[in-house]
Amino acid sequence: QVQLQESGPGLVKPSQTLSLTCTVSGGSISSGGYYWSWIRQHPGKGLEWIGYIYYSGSTYYNPSLKSRVTISVDTSKNQFSLKLSSVTAADTAVYYCARGGGIAARPYWFDPWGQGTLVTVSS
Amino acid sequence: QSALTQPASVSGSPGQSITISCTGTSSDVGGYNYVSWYQQHPGKAPKLMIYDVSNRPSGVSNRFSGSKSGNTASLTISGLQAEDEADYYCSSYTSSSTLYVVFGGGTKLTVL
Repeated sequence: QVQLQESGPGLVKPSQTLSLTCTVSGGSISSGGYYWSWIRQHPGKGLEWIGYIYYSGSTYYNPSLKSRVTISVDTSKNQFSLKLSSVTAADTAVYYCARGGGIAARPYWFDPWGQGTLVTVSS
Repeated sequence: QSALTQPASVSGSPGQSITISCTGTSSDVGGYNYVSWYQQHPGKAPKLMIYDVSNRPSGVSNRFSGSKSGNTASLTISGLQAEDEADYYCSSYTSSSTLYVVFGGGTKLTVL
């Protein structure tokens, strides 16, 4: 079955860029039909969708983060990545990658999820 | 503030049934049969429990069921077990011109 695994630094300094990669196994991003997403969860809080990328490279981002977010895909490695620039302490959260399904380019279910990785923004 | 409204907490005793609500608008929950539910245990990733309002993915217990009435979707857990204690989140398709994905704020289920 499809599995996702996040990787990247757990500590990022303020004003720098957070970079995470999600490796997909058991299935191919290139097969299409899914929206490969990043979702974060602030400590003790709910889920916040960051954005997604389709295998073709099409992206859509949460408007509240759009100016700082870039999601890219490397189909040769079966990976997709997140970059969040100019981070502050408010970006400290557990970051999840997930496979999204939906219609009209809008995912409304997510399965499976990666295990999540805690990223702390601190000097 | 989340786009979908859930109660902060619900509780029940083993063997009982509980229901968690998820209220939206005609632009999301009320307008489409595209509601999903997730279970999240502490320190773990969310797990899809229900999709398309009432469908269970393979492997999810039939004690979990979903329904919808108007702008409110509901998750019902019957025969409550200790292992059901977790946070539950809803999500819905939305026709919003700006936000493509909406989640509820989450509900903490306590098994007494």
